[in-house]
Amino acid sequence: AQKVTQAQTEISVVEKEDVTLDCVYETRDTTYYLFWYKQPPSGELVFLIRRNSFDEQNEISGRYSWNFQKSTSSFNFTITASQVVDSAVYFCALSQGGGYQKVTFGIGTKLQVIP
Amino acid sequence: DTGVSQNPRHKITKRGQNVTFRCDPISEHNRLYWYRQTLGQGPEFLTYFQNEAQLEKSRLLSDRFSAERPKGSFSTLEIQRTEQGDSAMYLCASSSGTGAHEQFFGPGTRLTVL
Repeated sequence: AQKVTQAQTEISVVEKEDVTLDCVYETRDTTYYLFWYKQPPSGELVFLIRRNSFDEQNEISGRYSWNFQKSTSSFNFTITASQVVDSAVYFCALSQGGGYQKVTFGIGTKLQVIP
Repeated sequence: DTGVSQNPRHKITKRGQNVTFRCDPISEHNRLYWYRQTLGQGPEFLTYFQNEAQLEKSRLLSDRFSAERPKGSFSTLEIQRTEQGDSAMYLCASSSGTGAHEQFFGPGTRLTVL
């Protein structure tokens, strides 16, 4: 069975602070995919990143960076110099490989960036 | 607008009534997914289609729920004899290609069962 744990339900930071959102996953598969999605107050989920289980390279995209560590089954997301527009609920998600399409989402972390 | 669209955006119904939601995916996407999201939770997978074939159904999808994608384009999700526990946001997503590609989500249909 697959499981995604986002232990931080709510985080508040002051604008320009860095913040890390934690994600720990469980799976028995050797091939799997990890995702992060953003759900702003408007409600529509927005894809941020996909990472497959064979690619442990960290990735940086602007102010966003992701740290994937198979040894600890973690896929953490860092926002550098946070902005008010970053306020949203962020979901970590996991799917099996091999074309299997069911995606398991975590409970989400609500990030509030205070001006 | 070339994104995923869902109709209606809001639906209020009385317990015991049937409701039907529609999802129009991104036109070139062959895969379509339905999820349910309740307050404070992440989306929960309900079912998915590849073209017109329904290939996976969650145990959450009781026999009161049925989904179709008759021509491999739009999809409908019907809930019969609604219960108050069915109140949730119903999300549709689509994706293309093979493997676990990113899914593009619609705005959702918020169902309230009185």
